[in-house]
Order: sequence, then structure tokens, then C-alpha cells
Amino acid sequence: DVKVTQSSRYLVKRTGEKVFLECVQDMDHENMFWYRQDPGLGLRLIYFSYDVKMKEKGDIPEGYSVSREKKERFSLILESASTNQTSMYLCATHRPGQASPGELFFGEGSRLTVL
Amino acid sequence: QKEVEQDPGPLSVPEGAIVSLNCTYSNSAFQYFMWYRQYSRKGPELLMYTYSSGNKEDGRFTAQVDKSSKYISLFIRDSQPSDSATYLCAMSGMAGGGNKLTFGTGTQLKVEL
Repeated sequence: DVKVTQSSRYLVKRTGEKVFLECVQDMDHENMFWYRQDPGLGLRLIYFSYDVKMKEKGDIPEGYSVSREKKERFSLILESASTNQTSMYLCATHRPGQASPGELFFGEGSRLTVL
Repeated sequence: QKEVEQDPGPLSVPEGAIVSLNCTYSNSAFQYFMWYRQYSRKGPELLMYTYSSGNKEDGRFTAQVDKSSKYISLFIRDSQPSDSATYLCAMSGMAGGGNKLTFGTGTQLKVEL
């Protein structure tokens, strides 16, 4: 079974703090993604990565950055957290060429509250 | 207008009922259609995947795609309390990973004893 681990399940931070969200996968998948999930807005793609040290902007990259120094680890960074970044953050992985092209494997999510 | 529209619910049904969940979309380029299930405080997991129009059945679940109407459905037969979850539709114009998926907002389903 694919395992995608988001180490921080619940975080409370203050406005202006730097926030790191870590995601680790154990299935050697090339592609990794960060989404945020908000009521009424669904899942929105923040950043994705096809390979180590490679990153691409998604639909809502403003206020975020990412790091992928190792294949299994993809980090989301909020340089200066703001209250509108209060959300559920979901990491996902994908293996190109798999039988179900649209199948993403998600972590359990990190619920971030910015006060 | 959003590319994918999905009624957020909540939808509450008695155990054993047939459930119909639906999404409409506007982008005629969408060819791949998926349903994800998300339990409370968990990440989504793929439930059903279909390509182009037609039906696909997997146990109690049937996914239906009508590209002419830009309408997809997920039917759940003999619904169980364990089916209580949020169901998200997702679609794409090409085979590929998460950067190419457009998600609906999700429908919350509760199956009551």
C-alpha cells in the first residue's frame, strides 16, 4: 500500500510566522502535489513537482513555496503566514503510467489555523 | 462559473437506499472522470475511474458519464452507514497526474441506521 505521511496533523500558528508542512511518501512516486481544501472551494492545487529539485506552480501559488530535495519528501513553506491561509493542506503523489491515470494517493491532511 | 459544479449537500438517506451523486461540467475537453471518497479527517481516496462516456460498475457502486450532457453520476446501491463520507468528482482532459485534475467541491453523504 502507498503511504503518504503528513507529519503535522494539526497546527496553530500566528500571523507572520514561517510554517513548514512536511510530506513523505514510501512508494517511489515521481510526482508529488500540494493542495489546499476549503469549504465551497474544493481542492485547489498550490504546487507540484515531477522530480527532485523541480517544481511547478499550480493554480494558487501566491504566498507559498516548496522544496523537494529528495524524491520521497515534498515540503510546503508559508514564508509569512496569514489568516487567509487557514485551511486543510493535502499532499498527494502520483506515478506516471499507472493503470488509473487520475489516481492520486493522498495523505491524511494538515489542518492549519493562523491566528 | 466553475468548470465543475457539485451540490455540496449534506445528503441524508436511510440505510439501504439508492444514492445518486452528480456533477456537471462545462469543459468539453474532459475525457477522464473520477470519483473520490473522503472520510472525515482523512485524505481522499480514488473510488471509481472512467474514461469517456458510458457506465462502469464495481460492487455496489456505478459510475455513469454522459458527455453529451456534460453530466456524471455516481450511484450507490444498498447504502451502508460506512458509506457516510464526502464524495468528490474529478475530471481531466488528458491522462495524467494531479496537476491536470479539476475537482468538484464535494457532496457530503450521511447514511443513517
